[in-house]
Amino acid sequence: DAGVTQSPTHLIKTRGQQVTLRCSPKSGHDTVSWYQQALGQGPQFIFQYYEEEERQRGNFPDRFSGHQFPNYSSELNVNALLLGDSALYLCASSLLSGTDYEQYFGPGTRLTVT
Amino acid sequence: GQSLEQPSEVTAVEGAIVQINCTYQTSGFYGLSWYQQHDGGAPTFLSYNALDGLEETGRFSSFLSRSDSYGYLLLQELQMKDSASYFCAAHNTNAGKSTFGDGTTLTVKP
Repeated sequence: DAGVTQSPTHLIKTRGQQVTLRCSPKSGHDTVSWYQQALGQGPQFIFQYYEEEERQRGNFPDRFSGHQFPNYSSELNVNALLLGDSALYLCASSLLSGTDYEQYFGPGTRLTVT
Repeated sequence: GQSLEQPSEVTAVEGAIVQINCTYQTSGFYGLSWYQQHDGGAPTFLSYNALDGLEETGRFSSFLSRSDSYGYLLLQELQMKDSASYFCAAHNTNAGKSTFGDGTTLTVKP
């Protein structure tokens, strides 16, 4: 049973560029949430997708956008990158109709903005 | 806004019991979860409390008091592999948004 996978593992971008991160949820899960984790801090909720719609959103600017595909996989897009966007980006999947508080996290994408 | 407070660091010896506290201030509180994260790894779900009281899962137990906006994670028979960061996370009424604390780094010494 495949767990949550994310790609790429590491990424280096320049200020002002755009980036796309990808996530495949755990088999059987239909909900994907994205988090940003800065060094020494807890994960910060960006948004959650269910049935290809953004279900909830945290306090992140519109530069952060996402998408969910019919196969439940998801993308996180960040435009006009800032140095402060450097962080570990985590994807978590869950089952909305079940115990959706139990989230399964992927290994994350380490984004460095220079 | 929503915020959770937990101690930044805790140290204990192998075989001991340690308690990691978490106080929260959130709107539309639904439940409290706990996650473990080893250095460079993904957070792993440990437990969840929606109702007051104690939930036990093996060596780990979690407690919630909704009236006190307080919970804790209890780790028994500590092992070296328990050295990690532990996060409490509050879920809102829609159970869609999760707010995490900044984590407690647990160091288990021989």
